[in-house]
Amino acid sequence: DVKVTQSSRYLVKRTGEKVFLECVQDMDHENMFWYRQDPGLGLRLIYFSYDVKMKEKGDIPEGYSVSREKKERFSLILESASTNQTSMYLCASSLTGRSNQPQHFGDGTRLSIL
Amino acid sequence: AQTVTQSQPEMSVQEAETVTLSCTYDTSESNYYLFWYKQPPSRQMILVIRQEAYKQQNATENRFSVNFQKAAKSFSLKISDSQLGDTAMYFCAFMTPTYYGGATNKLIFGTGTLLAVQP
Repeated sequence: DVKVTQSSRYLVKRTGEKVFLECVQDMDHENMFWYRQDPGLGLRLIYFSYDVKMKEKGDIPEGYSVSREKKERFSLILESASTNQTSMYLCASSLTGRSNQPQHFGDGTRLSIL
Repeated sequence: AQTVTQSQPEMSVQEAETVTLSCTYDTSESNYYLFWYKQPPSRQMILVIRQEAYKQQNATENRFSVNFQKAAKSFSLKISDSQLGDTAMYFCAFMTPTYYGGATNKLIFGTGTLLAVQP
């Protein structure tokens, strides 16, 4: 089974801090994704990566950056955390090649910015 | 732009009964895929079922089946013999292939339907 591991289930940070959310997958997937999940809004794509060191903006990239130095690891960075970034963050990964490959999700990180 | 609409924020069903969750989407693409994901309370999101747009036959996975109406752009999920473990948030998602080297499957999600199965 695919395992997508997010480093923290719950995280509390302060406004203005630089925050790192880490995600690791163990199935050699090329694609990795970061979403935020908010009630009534579903999941919205922040950034994704289709290869090492490659990244593309999603629908809501403002205030975030990402890093993918190794294939198995995809980090989401909040450069200067703000209260409106309080949310549930989900990481996912998938194979490329066949376009109907499902995404496999981690357990999520519930981030609170005070 | 593609959009996915789930018009039922919450639903409730009695154990052992059948329930249908609605999903509509909007696209001008002809090649796309549709998915239903399930997110149990405080647990990981998992894939329930998928449908390829070029296939006319509706997908089924045990107690889960879809009613795919391509012309109407409708993709509903039917859960038969509902069980307490089916209690979850259900997300409908749409994907059209986007190529960055290989096919990268960006998903567009609906806002979700919270299903409660009552004993």
